[in-house]
Amino acid sequence: AQTVTQSQPEMSVQEAETVTLSCTYDTSESDYYLFWYKQPPSRQMILVIRQEAYKQQNATENRFSVNFQKAAKSFSLKISDSQLGDAAMYFCAYLWGGGSNYKLTFGKGTLLTVNP
Amino acid sequence: KAGVTQTPRYLIKTRGQQVTLSCSPISGHRSVSWYQQTPGQGLQFLFEYFSETQRNKGNFPGRFSGRQFSNSRSEMNVSTLELGDSALYLCASSLVPGVANEQFFGPGTRLTVL
Repeated sequence: AQTVTQSQPEMSVQEAETVTLSCTYDTSESDYYLFWYKQPPSRQMILVIRQEAYKQQNATENRFSVNFQKAAKSFSLKISDSQLGDAAMYFCAYLWGGGSNYKLTFGKGTLLTVNP
Repeated sequence: KAGVTQTPRYLIKTRGQQVTLSCSPISGHRSVSWYQQTPGQGLQFLFEYFSETQRNKGNFPGRFSGRQFSNSRSEMNVSTLELGDSALYLCASSLVPGVANEQFFGPGTRLTVL
């Protein structure tokens, strides 16, 4: 069964510094998607970044980038120049399959605090 | 463009009752997915609807059901409520089917079962 592990329940970072959130997953599949979602306090969850497993290049979105290590089954999120608005719960997710036959699994989340 | 709306935002029910939650997707979005979020189990995928048809379902008992209307609005129903059904229920919409595509989430419905 596919599992997603976020080993850091809580993390903190100083404003303007860089922080890395870790995520590992267990799968025997070779083609899948990985996601990072952000859930700010009392606000809607949003997609931060998406990575397709067949792509070797790490995805980036502005200050957010991932370090995708397929062999190690690791998918960490790096947030550069952290801002107060980055404070949120971050969820890593794994998606396997397509069409109407897929399985989506989330990690337990990492609560990120940004200190001014 | 209005975002995803969910009603009601808060709900209190007692064990054994049933409940219906509603989700209105972003205009033009035809895919709606539902998720359950609890402190213990975290985020779990419930089901996805597209064009009034359920495309996929997560590992939940048959007490959890849903439907989608021709205007893409979706409802989910939980019958015979249990204490463990207390959760934040999120819905998300996307232009095309499949949760690999960017989904836009609503604020959620907080269900408390007493």
